[in-house]
Amino acid sequence: NAGVMQNPRHLVRRRGQEARLRCSPMKGHSHVYWYRQLPEEGLKFMVYLQKENIIDESGMPKERFSAEFPKEGPSILRIQQVVRGDSAAYFCASSPRWETYEQYFGPGTRLTVT
Amino acid sequence: AQSVTQLGSHVSVSEGALVLLRCNYSSSVPPYLFWYVQYPNQGLQLLLKYTTGATLVKGINGFEAEFKKSETSFHLTKPSAHMSDAAEYFCAVSSSGTGGFKTIFGAGTRLFVKA
Repeated sequence: NAGVMQNPRHLVRRRGQEARLRCSPMKGHSHVYWYRQLPEEGLKFMVYLQKENIIDESGMPKERFSAEFPKEGPSILRIQQVVRGDSAAYFCASSPRWETYEQYFGPGTRLTVT
Repeated sequence: AQSVTQLGSHVSVSEGALVLLRCNYSSSVPPYLFWYVQYPNQGLQLLLKYTTGATLVKGINGFEAEFKKSETSFHLTKPSAHMSDAAEYFCAVSSSGTGGFKTIFGAGTRLFVKA
């Protein structure tokens, strides 16, 4: 059973460009979480999605950031008009259902904004 | 509101020595507590978790943690450190709400193991 997959692993964008980060959950998992990790800090919750629904986006910046988890295909975290402060590691985690507290993490996407 | 405090951003031990990583939490509802390990350039791997029942929880790689409600603590220990234990460790707390659950992570403790 393949684990959570994220791509790309490393992404470099110039200021003002768009960044698209993809997350494929484990097989059978329909719940996806996105976290951001800044250098020397812990993970900060961004958004929680189920298939075709955003359940909790309380950790998402109000502007430039959006997330989706379509019926088919991976979950996408989209950052428009990136700025240097967006440079971070973005982790995706999945779980099979909401009432289980275990999350399985992907290897992360390291975004560098130049 | 929930929060997690990890005491000590860096801990250094000698190989074979006791590992003790401290974690205190606050939660208005019964918490679910976790320890994760992160190796360089990798995602987080679950070490152990406490949900209900026995307060001493054993995890992978010889680690264990004890839930102490009176002290609001969930410290991680390992009797004898190995070089391969060098990594970053995160304590986390979760609780459920109407919209599922949210996990709050501590800032992490980087463990160094000296030969």
